[in-house]
Amino acid sequence: DAKTTQPTSMDCAEGRAANLPCNHSTISGNEYVYWYRQIHSQGPQYIIHGLKNNETNEMASLIITEDRKSSTLILPHATLRDTAVYYCIVGLMNTGFQKLVFGTGTRLLVSP
Amino acid sequence: NAGVTQTPKFRVLKTGQSMTLLCAQDMNHEYMYWYRQDPGMGLRLIHYSVGEGTTAKGEVPDGYNVSRLKKQNFLLGLESAAPSQTSVYFCASSQGYGYTFGSGTRLTVV
Repeated sequence: DAKTTQPTSMDCAEGRAANLPCNHSTISGNEYVYWYRQIHSQGPQYIIHGLKNNETNEMASLIITEDRKSSTLILPHATLRDTAVYYCIVGLMNTGFQKLVFGTGTRLLVSP
Repeated sequence: NAGVTQTPKFRVLKTGQSMTLLCAQDMNHEYMYWYRQDPGMGLRLIHYSVGEGTTAKGEVPDGYNVSRLKKQNFLLGLESAAPSQTSVYFCASSQGYGYTFGSGTRLTVV
């Protein structure tokens, strides 16, 4: 499985966009990029995933570079409730089974 | 819709005791997973199951056993608990592109 590199921590002001980067230079052609977040003491929560096109849902946007070696998760208007650890993961999506490998993620602190 | 339910939420064990953690999902998901999370570390996969009656080892399986007798349940057993197994345990299920996680079991072995 491809490994990912994320900053250890980031800060963001409430109401501003939070842009969380992720490097995955060894990603293979059939691997997806997944983002999860973990709010203090809770189980991780799925946010979004993508293969090569940019994706958007009600929670966030995912921008994947053309060479697929990096991506950015965008929270367009961060709130205090978005304070969490954000995990960028690459993995196969093969008939629904995924053995995802979680790293240590980026700790995002949203401040008033 | 409860999603993934883990019981118990908290437990303190003495070294050498045994216990079973229960994970139940009501989404008819085929795949289920057990992870552990230690301070400063990411989640590490203990065991997983790709369907009823199947189990497989993950990254850190030693000291744990699992069973998936029913599709909706995935049990994690500790036969002889050790202090190194003090951790937060998360169960997850999937069918498609996203995992659904439970709220965790905080286990302390003294």
